[in-house]
Order: sequence, then structure tokens, then C-alpha cells
Amino acid sequence: GAGVSQSPSNKVTEKGKDVELRCDPISGHTALYWYRQSLGQGLEFLIYFQGNSAPDKSGLPSDRFSAERTGGSVSTLTIQRTQQEDSAVYLCASSLALAGQPTDTQYFGPGTRLTVL
Amino acid sequence: AQKVTQAQTEISVVEKEDVTLDCVYETRDTTYYLFWYKQPPSGELVFLIRRNSFDEQNEISGRYSWNFQKSTSSFNFTITASQVVDSAVYFCALSEAMGKSYNTDKLIFGTGTRLQVFP
Repeated sequence: GAGVSQSPSNKVTEKGKDVELRCDPISGHTALYWYRQSLGQGLEFLIYFQGNSAPDKSGLPSDRFSAERTGGSVSTLTIQRTQQEDSAVYLCASSLALAGQPTDTQYFGPGTRLTVL
Repeated sequence: AQKVTQAQTEISVVEKEDVTLDCVYETRDTTYYLFWYKQPPSGELVFLIRRNSFDEQNEISGRYSWNFQKSTSSFNFTITASQVVDSAVYFCALSEAMGKSYNTDKLIFGTGTRLQVFP
């Protein structure tokens, strides 16, 4: 079946502009995660959504970062007033996350490479 | 705090050699999960294995094998008879429980080991 998809695959923007990154999880997966991969910080967790519950935003690096998930499926990560240090690959992952089941495997999308000039 | 250490930054081998990638983790949880992911040059993270903290049996999948030892907090990955297609960055990860259920865990990643297999 189809895996996690992300768009755009590459985004180049100017410092100070806002950007939106999109993630389509695997159909039927209730949990969705955003991670960031950068040279200096490695792979780091940003935010997670589970069903209709309030998202866990504990990994967001600043209030310029926000994310939403509409209809329990597609998610958008928004970065406002981008800075050069926001340059990274943004990865989305989803998991089945059935209630009462052991930890589910997270399957990752191809990522969006963001470059802030 | 939970932490994953992959001390080997880069490993180079010649095809058909065996290679072991080390992973050491720290956690206070009694229930946790460990993972290995492969990131080829294309950039996508590919899931390889998931192992829970209650199952210390070694696992073999084709040329891949994993050795989980709670006594040393290690979860090492061995590729037997390496091939050029194995060239990638390999990440070890630990799950950290979030919220109220263990099945929605964020992953704590190591810094990765870049494996280069030369023909």
C-alpha cells in the first residue's frame, strides 16, 4: 500500500518568510509524528498527534513552529518568520497505534528539505 | 534522561566482510522498545527491526542479525557478508512513552553510523 507522503520534497525560502510543509500518513494510522533532521542536532522529535487528542508539542523549538492535523489524517507543519537555523530535513512518520497494543512501528516519509537563505 | 549512543561515526568495509554497528542506550523505563532504521542516500528512513525490553532473544533476518543485551544496555546490529547496497546511515532508536499509552512513543535517536561498503 501507499506509504507516508510529504510535500514539497524541497523548499527554498528567504529568511523571514512563512512556510508550510504537508504530510499524508498511511491510511488508517492514527498516530502522526514530525521530526527534524539537521547536521547539528541529529534527528529530533517535534510534535505528535494521536487521534482526536490534544497534540504533544513538547519538541517544538519555538513558538514560530506550529502544526495541525485535519480530520485525523493530513498534517501541516508551519514555520513562521523562518530563520537560517530552521534549515533541515523535516520528516513525518505515522503508526497504527491501536489502543492497548504494544508500541507500534513508526513509518517515515521521504522528508522535506527546507533551506532558508 | 533517555539517551542512545552510537559511538561509531563512520565504518568502511569491503564487500563480503561482516560488520557490527554498536548501539548503547540509557533509560529508566522498565518497558521500552528499541529500533534500527536504515537511511540510504535517497534519504528515507527505512524500518529494520523493533524489539521490546522483555525479549532478549537474538534475531536473524537474512544477512542481518541483532544482539540485545539488557545487562550492558546494548542493541548491536550485525550485517553478514556485506554488500554495496548496504551502504547507508544506520540509526538506533529508543522509544519514550508519551501520554497515557505505551503505543504512542516518540523515538530518541542515536547520531547514526555511516556504513560504506566498497566493491
